[in-house]
Amino acid sequence: EADIYQTPRYLVIGTGKKITLECSQTMGHDKMYWYQQDPGMELHLIHYSYGVNSTEKGDLSSESTVSRIRTEHFPLTLESARPSHTSQYLCASSGTTTGMAQETQYFGPGTRLLVL
Amino acid sequence: GEDVEQSLFLSVREGDSSVINCTYTDSSSTYLYWYKQEPGAGLQLLTYIFSNMDMKQDQRLTVLLNKKDKHLSLRIADTQTGDSAIYFCAEMDSSYKLIFGSGTRLLVRP
Repeated sequence: EADIYQTPRYLVIGTGKKITLECSQTMGHDKMYWYQQDPGMELHLIHYSYGVNSTEKGDLSSESTVSRIRTEHFPLTLESARPSHTSQYLCASSGTTTGMAQETQYFGPGTRLLVL
Repeated sequence: GEDVEQSLFLSVREGDSSVINCTYTDSSSTYLYWYKQEPGAGLQLLTYIFSNMDMKQDQRLTVLLNKKDKHLSLRIADTQTGDSAIYFCAEMDSSYKLIFGSGTRLLVRP
């Protein structure tokens, strides 16, 4: 079982507010990822990081930003939330785990965001 | 670019076998994965297969890989109502990113 955590699990917020979605993992994985997923639909990679102080934009353009100051922590920030940001945000991490395929991604439980 | 395709929906009766199919385009993929997502939750890794394998079995799950046709399938034996979920197939690209299919919604009827 993967040890990757996301907070909050649910967030309802008004337009224009600044929000930060937290993601932490205790597995010592060097790589971390953020995905955006609309209900019942495919996942889109929006940010990823291959290590501390390394961040890259994913395949889907996003107005959010990320930082990676510590290995275990990969927060995502929206400076000014809008209704179009309403979605589920999933965090994942990957690294070599004993007995498993190298670089297998493990997912957190997700944050469901609703912007009014 | 790489692409992964799945059928959108599958309905089976409880106790029957379910087969979820997936096709991918990147012939250099070394690992292929199956994830399960229940409502309101994140993705749970179900199983994976190395590209040099044809088959992998893990309890009720059997993964078949046809590398020539770039076709991957997940068979769930004795499907239970708790297996109702969305199942995602994914391939890993050369930069360790996962390319996901759009997901297959499995409905198990009592």
